[in-house]
Amino acid sequence: NAGVTQTPKFRILKIGQSMTLQCTQDMNHNYMYWYRQDPGMGLKLIYYSVGAGITDKGEVPNGYNVSRSTTEDFPLRLELAAPSQTSVYFCASSYGTGGGVMQPQHFGDGTRLSIL
Amino acid sequence: KNEVEQSPQNLTAQEGEFITINCSYSVGISALHWLQQHPGGGIVSLFMLSSGKKKHGRLIATINIQEKHSSLHITASHPRDSAVYICAVSQETSGSRLTFGEGTQLTVNP
Repeated sequence: NAGVTQTPKFRILKIGQSMTLQCTQDMNHNYMYWYRQDPGMGLKLIYYSVGAGITDKGEVPNGYNVSRSTTEDFPLRLELAAPSQTSVYFCASSYGTGGGVMQPQHFGDGTRLSIL
Repeated sequence: KNEVEQSPQNLTAQEGEFITINCSYSVGISALHWLQQHPGGGIVSLFMLSSGKKKHGRLIATINIQEKHSSLHITASHPRDSAVYICAVSQETSGSRLTFGEGTQLTVNP
């Protein structure tokens, strides 16, 4: 099983460029998440989705956009890259219900992004 | 003050030692998670618990809901246990979204 797959693993961008971080999962999970991890700090939620066609902002959404057209894919878009967006980005997925049923999150291997 | 606090931030142990990592939280939760981040960066879920105690191999996780505190224990530690251990909570008001602690860097020397 592939689990959660993120591409690319590494990327260097110039200020002002745009790019899309790809995330796909093959576990038929309804919930998907994007996090960023900065040195010495806990992971912060950027955006999340509870199902295809439904997305919502997390703690740190500014400068990012997402879409969820299928259950499997949850791409993260940076429109105008800024040095503050240099970070490691993790995508995760899980199964859950609105009634409180929840399972652990499965994480991708991360994308290390540098904005210069 | 962060909603999820871990201690210690860094921990160095000798192989074979018993290790304890602590997590305190200040919000109402539906579940607490322990995660392991390998030196290469990948993150794996170790435990999800809402009461009592869970055990998997040499790892044990406990939670005290009244005291809003959880501990992760590693028995007979080994150098391959070297990693960052992360505590996270699912808050009662935020469904499946997680709030993370800053992590504990564990180094086990042979």
